[in-house]
Amino acid sequence: DAKTTQPPSMDCAEGRAANLPCNHSTISGNEYVYWYRQIHSQGPQYIIHGLKNNETNEMASLIITEDRKSSTLILPHATLRDTAVYYCIVANNNDMRFGAGTRLTVKP
Amino acid sequence: GAGVSQSPSNKVTEKGKDVELRCDPISGHTALYWYRQSLGQGLEFLIYFQGNSAPDKSGLPSDRFSAERTGGSVSTLTIQRTQQEDSAVYLCASSSYVAKETQYFGPGTRLLVL
Repeated sequence: DAKTTQPPSMDCAEGRAANLPCNHSTISGNEYVYWYRQIHSQGPQYIIHGLKNNETNEMASLIITEDRKSSTLILPHATLRDTAVYYCIVANNNDMRFGAGTRLTVKP
Repeated sequence: GAGVSQSPSNKVTEKGKDVELRCDPISGHTALYWYRQSLGQGLEFLIYFQGNSAPDKSGLPSDRFSAERTGGSVSTLTIQRTQQEDSAVYLCASSSYVAKETQYFGPGTRLLVL
């Protein structure tokens, strides 16, 4: 049973912001939202996580709605190297259930 | 080493044979996970080790799959009597006790069962 829903694919122009949505309407109070990405032929890479406040790090920003039922990962200035599958995961322990993710293609 | 390592990187075996996949986590990381990823699919959780606690085996697909972690470090995933549907990339990840949310993944082992 998938806890998150993501669009299967998205395109973004190089240099523009990439906004990747995720729906998690059944999230419970103690579950965090995690984002990972997987570049072709590599293992997944941690990006960012949050509980209810918006978060920012050197890679991305995470915006979580007030009701916590959805979130958006923002890559402020996408580059060609950001082309990857992006996974949104909801978990309160170490059982990371990855779904199909969103395949982001950054185009020149 | 600096990261999670896995061996072998590729394994081709015949249906019915047993295989062992190895994972060396980042030194000091207490948590270790195994996942598998079929072609074009997302990750499937298999098993999770945390310190000396009993492992969470809830993701193992059948009793042909088993894993152990010796000395709280290296882990071996064993698949007995392999089937063609076992063909996938098997990924190992580790995380520290302090930063449980950040899993560091190895490069994976590509298993092909003929």
